[in-house]
Amino acid sequence: EAGVAQSPRYKIIEKRQSVAFWCNPISGHATLYWYQQILGQGPKLLIQFQNNGVVDDSQLPKDRFSAERLKGVDSTLKIQPAKLEDSAVYLCASSSYYRGTGELFFGEGSRLTVL
Amino acid sequence: KQEVTQIPAALSVPEGENLVLNCSFTDSAIYNLQWFRQDPGKGLTSLLLIQSSQREQTSGRLNASLDKSSGRSTLYIAASQPGDSATYLCAVSQNYGQNFVFGPGTRLSVLP
Repeated sequence: EAGVAQSPRYKIIEKRQSVAFWCNPISGHATLYWYQQILGQGPKLLIQFQNNGVVDDSQLPKDRFSAERLKGVDSTLKIQPAKLEDSAVYLCASSSYYRGTGELFFGEGSRLTVL
Repeated sequence: KQEVTQIPAALSVPEGENLVLNCSFTDSAIYNLQWFRQDPGKGLTSLLLIQSSQREQTSGRLNASLDKSSGRSTLYIAASQPGDSATYLCAVSQNYGQNFVFGPGTRLSVLP
């Protein structure tokens, strides 16, 4: 079974530029999460999708961050314009909502450096 | 609001030692607790999941226990090896399908 796929693995941009990250969850997983992990800290939820609907985006800085999950499968997270403090690893995770234990599975992450 | 802490923040042990990592959470009404491992520059790898009705789970040299009433979980690693060096994170969810709240992690170094 293929795991959670993310791209790109690394991205370097200058402040005020835009960037987009892509995630493909494990096949059949209805729930998809985007987390932000700053160096030395645990991941923090940005947004959670159930199929193609948003369950929780309370911690998403909506003035600069946006995310979508069209057709309830792939998802894209966009940052525009980027700030220095957005430098972090952006982790995508998925879980099976309709069967299983609710276990969370992560991708390798996308490391963003904002100069 | 759920908060998760992990002690110690960092730990260095010689190879072969048995060790315990601690995780504490403020709201005992949890559904799942999951332990992860993170290698430098990598994503999180799931180690063990404990559901609220369970008290422990085992996988190989790893054993995780859960005491909901005291808001604590421990991860026991037997006969540690240099390959166990990584950051270990715990996370809890309040309900099935809900967001997991993470601790800051414990950075483990196992010296040969």
